[in-house]
Amino acid sequence: SQKIEQNSEALNIQEGKTATLTCNYTNYSPAYLQWYRQDPGRGPVFLLLIRENEKEKRKERLKVTFDTTLKQSLFHITASQPADSATYLCALDMSDYKLSFGAGTTVTVRA
Amino acid sequence: EPEVTQTPSHQVTQMGQEVILRCVPISNHLYFYWYRQILGQKVEFLVSFYNNEISEKSEIFDDQFSVERPDGSNFTLKIRSTKLEDSAMYFCASSTSGQGVSYSFGPGTRLLVL
Repeated sequence: SQKIEQNSEALNIQEGKTATLTCNYTNYSPAYLQWYRQDPGRGPVFLLLIRENEKEKRKERLKVTFDTTLKQSLFHITASQPADSATYLCALDMSDYKLSFGAGTTVTVRA
Repeated sequence: EPEVTQTPSHQVTQMGQEVILRCVPISNHLYFYWYRQILGQKVEFLVSFYNNEISEKSEIFDDQFSVERPDGSNFTLKIRSTKLEDSAMYFCASSTSGQGVSYSFGPGTRLLVL
């Protein structure tokens, strides 16, 4: 069966450090992979999209990598700030008509 | 910046009652979606809608669920006879294309079935 696993339900880091989140998937061959941020009681907010032929994508302090051989994406938040505290969702873009989400990793950045 | 809006923000209903959740997608988007999130669980796909018809639906989206785009702006999700297990946050989303683009999600409707 198809699975999307985000390692670590929770990640606690010190302000200024880099947070690294992992998304692994099995029995999928997604053409695209997306990352979203979700705050409590709110809808997901788009952060980054990476294509299968791209190795790395950056946006400000965010970086995502996509390794289709390992079936893994890494999401990095550099120089983390308390405002980065949220749940981060990995989403696989499989078909024309849906995203499949992982369970998310909750990041808490301590001041 | 344009946003997806949803009404109501909260809805409490009795088991067996019908509910209609409403969404206004972003105006130039062509693809519309409903997702749900049970408390503490992941965001789950329910249905996608394009060109006035359902494109894809999940196993969750059974005969009790229906979607409609009654006019040029609204997109609705109807649950005909609610069950306790339908209690969840329901998110509407829209996108410009069916693949390879970001989704814009609404703020959600929190549905509680008693």
